[in-house]
Amino acid sequence: DAGITQSPRHKVTETGTPVTLRCHQTENHRYMYWYRQDPGHGLRLIHYSYGVKDTDKGEVSDGYSVSRSKTEDFLLTLESATSSQTSVYFCATGRGVDEQFFGPGTRLTVL
Amino acid sequence: TQLLKQSPQFLSIQEGENLTVYCNSSSVFSSLQWYRQEPGEGPVLLVTVVTGGEVKKLKRLTFQFGDARKDSSLHITAAQPGDTGLYLCAGELIQGAQKLVFGQGTRLTINP
Repeated sequence: DAGITQSPRHKVTETGTPVTLRCHQTENHRYMYWYRQDPGHGLRLIHYSYGVKDTDKGEVSDGYSVSRSKTEDFLLTLESATSSQTSVYFCATGRGVDEQFFGPGTRLTVL
Repeated sequence: TQLLKQSPQFLSIQEGENLTVYCNSSSVFSSLQWYRQEPGEGPVLLVTVVTGGEVKKLKRLTFQFGDARKDSSLHITAAQPGDTGLYLCAGELIQGAQKLVFGQGTRLTINP
């Protein structure tokens, strides 16, 4: 399995506070992705990166920003968390879309 | 709008039975993947299909990509309790886009 870690694994925060989730990989994969998973929706792409400092929006990017200053780290920031952002967040990495490896997930609760 | 629709969303059957899960769309995909996810973990890739009509087998699991590359199916023969999990299909809409669209998932329970 690809070495992908996510931190924190669980977080409870209050509406209006900023939150940053971290994804770290040890595989030197070019592509990194952030998804959210909600019941009945499967996985939805938030943002992705195709290289250091190269990022693009996914289908549900509003309210989220990302940064990738080095190959191994991809940060997802909720500038001002809302209750609708309560979800399980997954990071994935890969050499391309044909084979993505997923991290263990971060369960975020916004009260 | 869900580009990829899976059916059924929930399926509970007895050990030893056969089953098929469907993944349908009105859009054409350059490739399609199936993942399995267990509680508390991230999805794990099972297979990628890229050619219309392609059939791939993984032990008791058979995956097929539709001729028009708009749909796919996953067939499990003689299901076992270890097959229990959430099955997700995902497709790349535009070749080279390097991003996937996921179906909403099929939660499969195999009862001993």
